[in-house]
Amino acid sequence: GEDVEQSLFLSVREGDSSVINCTYTDSSSTYLYWYKQEPGAGLQLLTYIFSNMDMKQDQRLTVLLNKKDKHLSLRIADTQTGDSAIYFCAERDGGSQGNLIFGKGTKLSVKP
Amino acid sequence: GAGVSQSPSNKVTEKGKDVELRCDPISGHTALYWYRQSLGQGLEFLIYFQGNSAPDKSGLPSDRFSAERTGGSVSTLTIQRTQQEDSAVYLCASSSRPGRDLRQGGINYGYTFGSGTRLTVV
Repeated sequence: GEDVEQSLFLSVREGDSSVINCTYTDSSSTYLYWYKQEPGAGLQLLTYIFSNMDMKQDQRLTVLLNKKDKHLSLRIADTQTGDSAIYFCAERDGGSQGNLIFGKGTKLSVKP
Repeated sequence: GAGVSQSPSNKVTEKGKDVELRCDPISGHTALYWYRQSLGQGLEFLIYFQGNSAPDKSGLPSDRFSAERTGGSVSTLTIQRTQQEDSAVYLCASSSRPGRDLRQGGINYGYTFGSGTRLTVV
């Protein structure tokens, strides 16, 4: 079945760039998403990329997609303490239901 | 409403009691999903409703779990005879036109999540 894998933890210093990586298995995925979950809160959609794109930039966020290797990454430039959260990668089921399959999440800790 | 609303935000219950969790999706969203997030774990899919179709219950962990969606809007997740391993955050999400990509201003919104219900079974 479909699977989405992420490393569980990432620690960076304030001002550095953070890169969170994700691999997925469903080659028919149409969209891939990054969600952010702050402590005690629900999931907030950060950004998405369509499967025929290689890169998408949105202010401090850069998403890179290597469709051949089924590898997705999220780069956060100039990481701030407010970026500390859990980041979930998700792929959209290529079938008719459009379910999202989530990774376990990467906990980003930003040290001052 | 403007977002997905879940209630209660926190629930503490005794082992063996039944609980009901409520989700009020975004008006007009035809798809509704329940997920469970256990401590230190990712998101576990539980159940999916789409319009008037039969729900996809493939993620429900046991027959103690059930959900319904009345009138294609509000959904209730019921857990009977709660166990300590049921302690988790239960997240609800809604989406419009699943399986098809809705664009508003060129942006695909995926799911919109509620803030979740934190269930603690003692």
